[in-house]
Amino acid sequence: AQSVAQPEDQVNVAEGNPLTVKCTYSVSGNPYLFWYVQYPNRGLQFLLKYITGDNLVKGSYGFEAEFNKSQTSFHLKKPSALVSDSALYFCALSMGSSYKLIFGSGTRLLVRP
Amino acid sequence: DAGVIQSPRHEVTEMGQEVTLRCKPISGHNSLFWYRQTMMRGLELLIYFNNNVPIDDSGMPEDRFSAKMPNASFSTLKIQPSEPRDSAVYFCASREEVAFFGQGTRLTVV
Repeated sequence: AQSVAQPEDQVNVAEGNPLTVKCTYSVSGNPYLFWYVQYPNRGLQFLLKYITGDNLVKGSYGFEAEFNKSQTSFHLKKPSALVSDSALYFCALSMGSSYKLIFGSGTRLLVRP
Repeated sequence: DAGVIQSPRHEVTEMGQEVTLRCKPISGHNSLFWYRQTMMRGLELLIYFNNNVPIDDSGMPEDRFSAKMPNASFSTLKIQPSEPRDSAVYFCASREEVAFFGQGTRLTVV
């Protein structure tokens, strides 16, 4: 069975510090991996994806994520957090473009001034 | 493109009434998803379509829920009869490689 785990319900970080939001997955095969962000009362917005190629992928708003096949992880990172990054972040996987998209439980990121 | 368009944005209805949520996907996208989001259960996949055909409806909670996609430009999610526990935000998303989400419909059943 395919699954995505986000082990932290909330991550707290000070503005200007680096941030990491963790994601691990369980699947047989090579998944497509995604990160989305959700601001209050809004839909989910796409941040970045890993399909194939370089393990480090860069996305919107200065975010990046590193695909680690041996650890089955796809952690989201940013070198310097902004207060405006405070939101709910979701990791997701799919086995291809025509397959269902499965989301993790979400991690609330709180960046304090 | 205007993105994925959902209507209505908010719906308040009485228990027992029929509710229909609507979604217009992005043109050219061949997959469409319906999700439900609640505080308790997070983001749940209800059903998804490929090329207008339902592929996996295992997430549909019960027979009160039904979804259709009569053409590539339109999908509906219907709840009949509605119950207070159906209160949630319902999202539609369409996808070619990356999924794009609508703004959601906030459903309140009283």
